[in-house]
Amino acid sequence: GAGVSQTPSNKVTEKGKYVELRCDPISGHTALYWYRQSLGQGPEFLIYFQGTGAADDSGLPNDRFFAVRPEGSVSTLKIQRTERGDSAVYLCASSSPTGELFFGEGSRLTVL
Amino acid sequence: KQEVTQIPAALSVPEGENLVLNCSFTDSAIYNLQWFRQDPGKGLTSLLLIQSSQREQTSGRLNASLDKSSGRSTLYIAASQPGDSATYLCAVATNNLFFGTGTRLTVIP
Repeated sequence: GAGVSQTPSNKVTEKGKYVELRCDPISGHTALYWYRQSLGQGPEFLIYFQGTGAADDSGLPNDRFFAVRPEGSVSTLKIQRTERGDSAVYLCASSSPTGELFFGEGSRLTVL
Repeated sequence: KQEVTQIPAALSVPEGENLVLNCSFTDSAIYNLQWFRQDPGKGLTSLLLIQSSQREQTSGRLNASLDKSSGRSTLYIAASQPGDSATYLCAVATNNLFFGTGTRLTVIP
């Protein structure tokens, strides 16, 4: 596709459930980022992939959060045993060779 | 850790005014700085990217400057329009990309 695609756009789940959020980056972009954004705040870094490997996962808040990018393209952010505090918009971005970031529309997660 | 601050947090101006948004950062060893626009409930749209070797970039009515040594960038918007109303975020790339909390701009018709 022409831009970064994220699915689902909205996800409502119950506390304790497992959630997967998907990101399809711009074709050919090797760098992929996941961010989390709460209302009124700037995006908070979670994890950064260069190709298939996680180059920096220092932003993942705890071991309930995990992300993969097995073929160096599509990435999945996985959240286990969701908590109400996980409610946020999860943003994905891919980076051009110049370092310019292009964001998807985000996945809004609501944990009841 | 890089800290990015944006001032003011909110700004309201009448249509037609020129305005300046400010971004400051604590670690001057950056690769680039990027300005984004975010509309309510939407993702971020890239406006301008300034590489560390550059001093400014221009796109239409937008001009962004970068002063690495003082840890500052400004986004200048000329002849503001109601359609410019949005939140403007700056992001600084060091070993990672760090965002400010944004400036919420309202342009009054």
